[in-house]
Amino acid sequence: EVQLVESGGGLVQPGRSMKLSCAASGFTFSNYGMAWVRQAPTKGLEWVATISYDGSSTYYRDSVKGRFTISRDNAKSTLYLQMNSLRSEDTATYYCTSARYGPWGQGVMVTVSS
Amino acid sequence: DVVMTQTPPSLSVAIGQSVSISCKSSQSLVYSDGKTYLHWLLQSSGRSPKRLIYQVSNLDSGVPDRFSGTGSQKDFTLKISRVEAKDLGVYYCAQTTHFPYTFGAGTKLELK
Repeated sequence: EVQLVESGGGLVQPGRSMKLSCAASGFTFSNYGMAWVRQAPTKGLEWVATISYDGSSTYYRDSVKGRFTISRDNAKSTLYLQMNSLRSEDTATYYCTSARYGPWGQGVMVTVSS
Repeated sequence: DVVMTQTPPSLSVAIGQSVSISCKSSQSLVYSDGKTYLHWLLQSSGRSPKRLIYQVSNLDSGVPDRFSGTGSQKDFTLKISRVEAKDLGVYYCAQTTHFPYTFGAGTKLELK
């Protein structure tokens, strides 16, 4: 069974950092590009970042460029999102998914507030 | 950025009825490899999104054939035949052809 399990969310103050993880199982993780998608409370879906299957290419939405870093460890079948200089507008549920939105994780809530 | 215009924003439907959702993109979604990376997702209340259809018309595993996707270039449609209660939720179209990837605003399917 394909599973994506996110962890690492919570409450963080503006300007601080947080790192999300997504543990994958049930498929050959190293064969697939992966992505993070977020959803602010009561809002729609918003693509955040994508990484190629081998980690050699990364892509970001403008609003997180320079602040967020997507990475992966294929040996551990794990995807990461390092989030620095967090802002209130980053408050959302963050989902781990494949690059073409195949499987999705359960999501992890990130709240940026003082 | 590619703007995905999804209509209608909401639909009230009776069980057993058929419905269609439109998704129009501001640019062609045909990628350099000739494929069109337009997908349809369903987010049921309180749940994670789930992809139903990928690349315009391909049903994901386990998705009933009551769902169908059609379209090309910039104009796409999701059709649901014989709506069931488990089909309720918010439907999103999504493109993964052009960065930044974008989603439609969603269509909420509710019971009449």
